[in-house]
Amino acid sequence: SQQGEEDPQALSIQEGENATMNCSYKTSINNLQWYRQNSGRGLVHLILIRSNEREKHSGRLRVTLDTSKKSSSLLITASRAADTASYFCATVDSNYQLIWGAGTKLIIKP
Amino acid sequence: DAGVTQSPTHLIKTRGQHVTLRCSPISGHKSVSWYQQVLGQGPQFIFQYYEKEERGRGNFPDRFSARQFPNYSSELNVNALLLGDSALYLCASSLQTTGLLGEQYFGPGTRLTVT
Repeated sequence: SQQGEEDPQALSIQEGENATMNCSYKTSINNLQWYRQNSGRGLVHLILIRSNEREKHSGRLRVTLDTSKKSSSLLITASRAADTASYFCATVDSNYQLIWGAGTKLIIKP
Repeated sequence: DAGVTQSPTHLIKTRGQHVTLRCSPISGHKSVSWYQQVLGQGPQFIFQYYEKEERGRGNFPDRFSARQFPNYSSELNVNALLLGDSALYLCASSLQTTGLLGEQYFGPGTRLTVT
């Protein structure tokens, strides 16, 4: 079963705009991870945020975590065509299983 | 350094047959995990192995089994294939001694089609 729910399911924006994706989960977590998947490079780890962290940055990526609401968001600033991909959140639960959402499909229009 | 490698890339099998998928982790990584990804969905966790021991198992039937070898490579076996087993099978390795708690490095996957 999938724990994470990404929102929206699909997002199409112009190059240069910011993209925000949200993830909600159901159980308590150890950490939350965001991954990107495209046909060219497969599934790639983007960023990991621990349950005791509230915000984390990596280049053009900004991730927030609200454990009280069991939700996380991924912000991609100044989007590029190469950011076109599916984005997944995955949570590590108390049984040390990595549980994935269904993903957000992001399309960057030139 | 080579990344995670998987073989074969593509595979077509018939219902009822058996399949073995192989994975070689990044050198130095002792944790290997297996995932099934159906088209349009996120990966589903199948197994995690660390130091040749099963550390976690997802909600998959006993037809699915795996093992990890002394060189940390791994095999995923699926018996009595069903049409619903058609999917992309992903292998990931991790440096973390606690396996799934850290960044996972994924292989390109094996595309299994069951006819």
